[in-house]
Amino acid sequence: AQSVTQLDSQVPVFEEAPVELRCNYSSSVSVYLFWYVQYPNQGLQLLLKYLSGSTLVKGINGFEAEFNKSQTSFHLRKPSVHISDTAEYFCAVSETGDYKLSFGAGTTVTVRA
Amino acid sequence: DTAVSQTPKYLVTQMGNDKSIKCEQNLGHDTMYWYKQDSKKFLKIMFSYNNKELIINETVPNRFSPKSPDKAHLNLHINSLELGDSAVYFCASSPTGGDGYTFGSGTRLTVV
Repeated sequence: AQSVTQLDSQVPVFEEAPVELRCNYSSSVSVYLFWYVQYPNQGLQLLLKYLSGSTLVKGINGFEAEFNKSQTSFHLRKPSVHISDTAEYFCAVSETGDYKLSFGAGTTVTVRA
Repeated sequence: DTAVSQTPKYLVTQMGNDKSIKCEQNLGHDTMYWYKQDSKKFLKIMFSYNNKELIINETVPNRFSPKSPDKAHLNLHINSLELGDSAVYFCASSPTGGDGYTFGSGTRLTVV
């Protein structure tokens, strides 16, 4: 069975600074990987996903993530954050062809002026 | 036009009551899900239906019963509500193969 570890529970960052959110997964088979964002009191929105192909994945709102199979990681990055990026970020994994999506515990990003 | 819609958005009820949450998707997806998000924001799958058939049934009290009248709808009925059932419940859908979910906006259930 797959599992996900988000290595940082909280990440404070200043506006216009870069941010990296770390995610490691565990699975014995090939996987799909996802990052979701949850703004306060809202549902989850898909930022980006890795299914196959290029290991560098670009998503919405200037986010990108890199799949590293040898390190079983899928870290999320943004070169310059805005106040509006303040939210909860979730890394998720599903085994290829499986329906079950397993989530990490989430990383709270707080962007300060 | 909302892709995955849940009703109600907020639900406050007393212990022991029975309540239902409804979910509808207009994306043409074959698979629908219920997830529970607890107070620490941890998301855990509860159920999944594919073309009206139950395919995932995690360890959930049998007070929780999903019902899928057709592949565009997945409702969640909860009997004898307990304080610990307070959470945000998310409905989601995906195409066959599970290459990404679309989530509803959630139902915040508060049991008093």
